[in-house]
Amino acid sequence: DAKTTQPNSMESNEEEPVHLPCNHSTISGTDYIHWYRQLPSQGPEYVIHGLTSNVNNRMASLAIAEDRKSSTLILHRATLRDAAVYYCILRDWRNAGNMLTFGGGTRLMVKP
Amino acid sequence: KAGVTQTPRYLIKTRGQQVTLSCSPISGHRSVSWYQQTPGQGLQFLFEYFSETQRNKGNFPGRFSGRQFSNSRSEMNVSTLELGDSALYLCASSLGQGGSDEQFFGPGTRLTVL
Repeated sequence: DAKTTQPNSMESNEEEPVHLPCNHSTISGTDYIHWYRQLPSQGPEYVIHGLTSNVNNRMASLAIAEDRKSSTLILHRATLRDAAVYYCILRDWRNAGNMLTFGGGTRLMVKP
Repeated sequence: KAGVTQTPRYLIKTRGQQVTLSCSPISGHRSVSWYQQTPGQGLQFLFEYFSETQRNKGNFPGRFSGRQFSNSRSEMNVSTLELGDSALYLCASSLGQGGSDEQFFGPGTRLTVL
């Protein structure tokens, strides 16, 4: 799976929107963009994924650049519970296997 | 629907011993993957089982092994424990349908090797 690059950490104020960037300049046409997050003392949890178009779900929105070389996870109103490490991961849809390659992720700190 | 469960949650062993960890996936999920998380190396993929067969394997020594039963429950075993095996071991289950599949993680088993 192709490599992703994320900032080590970001800070946000509670109830403000948060934009978490991810660069994946070597993405292939068959790569899905997945986001997971890991809250303190918990296993990772799925947030959202997309292929080419922007995606929304109850947790977040995913904005994908037109050339697909970058994406942004958007939390519309950060809460203290959103403080976590966020991982951007590429997964080839042709690969039936379930192997997630985690990078360092972005540690999001939310200030009250 | 019950989530992924892992037992035990905490374990303390000494060097040279072996350990078996258990993972019960979400009902209907046929894929179980195992990950090791350490402060130094982060989250690293160990292996994946699908329908009782190992489908993918990460870059870990042969001391790390696993298996999956017909009910999709999985176990991983670490033999001849080393201090560096101290980690949080996470399992994840999914339908096993590939690149768009969502994986559901358990809370992990915290292994300490003394």
